[in-house]
Formats: sequence, structure tokens, C-alpha cells
Amino acid sequence: DTAVSQTPKYLVTQMGNDKSIKCEQNLGHDTMYWYKQDSKKFLKIMFSYNNKELIINETVPNRFSPKSPDKAHLNLHINSLELGDSAVYFCASSPSTGGYTFGSGTRLTVV
Amino acid sequence: AQSVTQLGSHVSVSEGALVLLRCNYSSSVPPYLFWYVQYPNQGLQLLLKYTSAATLVKGINGFEAEFKKSETSFHLTKPSAHMSDAAEYFCAVSSPSSGSARQLTFGSGTQLTVLP
Repeated sequence: DTAVSQTPKYLVTQMGNDKSIKCEQNLGHDTMYWYKQDSKKFLKIMFSYNNKELIINETVPNRFSPKSPDKAHLNLHINSLELGDSAVYFCASSPSTGGYTFGSGTRLTVV
Repeated sequence: AQSVTQLGSHVSVSEGALVLLRCNYSSSVPPYLFWYVQYPNQGLQLLLKYTSAATLVKGINGFEAEFKKSETSFHLTKPSAHMSDAAEYFCAVSSPSSGSARQLTFGSGTQLTVLP
């Protein structure tokens, strides 16, 4: 009955590969997000979707593409992975009244 | 635009001592404010939130924070630190507006160390 679930929890892959991270929320929230936490633990928003519509797209390389098949899912696909993509990626969701619930994170390591 | 400044990237306290983690915000609209805790290799857990109701907000694990508009502050306190409080703490701001203003903007975090 996890509220926001991400898979996989750990992802180790080689440079140049393409990978996806999946996120699902069962809270009925209308907005979902992807955040990136770098090695210094700084958290920065990447994307936000509201009811399957992209509303925030920060300065993120085109290699990163979010996809929201429905209101409860927001996946992140990354093409041509680079060493600098290594980070922890967090999915989150929120209702219109505020209050954010985060997933447990996906630790991506590019070697 | 909104932003958060956390003063002190590292704070050390003795077990049983007062915990004070500082957060100042900047927002062009009335803000929502949050404190999150992150234990090693784990996700973010909400400690407490201010959404324009009572200015003194009580959260989990004995933490509380007070919204002070005149000082644009939302400092986190706990009367008596436990060893289990050692973690990274993040202050964050958003607004009740729609669109990009709804996003959470985080501070740079404060690592709390509790000394025996």
C-alpha cells in the first residue's frame, strides 16, 4: 500500500545506455514531479505533470523525457546516459491543496 | 519566484540539547512552507508543513516550527535531541498557486549530528 512507489531502487548502467525509471502513486493526487538530488544532496525539480499535462520543464537535457500515461503514473526515460547523470532521482506527488509525498528514490550510477 | 536559505550546512548538538535549524524564505506570494527529513540512503519524509493556518506548527518526532512573516523565517526546533534525530533536514517553499509556482523549491539542507 505504498503511496508513491518507484522502480528500480538501484540502477547501475554503462555510459551510452538508455534506461527508464517508473513511478506510481495511489493517493489520487493530480500533480506528479521528478526531482534530482546530486552528490551534495541538493534537490532540484526536473519536471512536473498535472493530469497528464506537462507544466514544468526545467533546464534539463533533451536526453531526459518524462511520460505520463495516466494521472497515477509518471515515468522518466533517459537516453545516452552520461557519467554526470549519476544521482538519486525522486518522484513525488501532490494534491491541489499542497503537501508533497515522495517516493523512496532511485539511485542511478553510470559507469 | 521563490527561494529558501538554510543557514548552516552542518549543525551539531549534544543529546538532550535544543535543536534549532534555521530557514529563511523568499516568496512573492503567501507561501506554503515545509520541513523534510532524509535519513541516510532513504527518501524524504515530511516533518511538518505550514499552509496559512496556525503560525506554530507541530510535526512528528517532537519537532515544531514557527512561521514568522516579519522575519520571513520558518525555523525548526526540538526541545531535546535524540541520537535518532541525526539526519539531513530540508526546508522547502511552494505556493498555493497553480502551475510552476506549485513546485517545491528546496534549501540546500542541514546535516544534523547528535553527539552522545
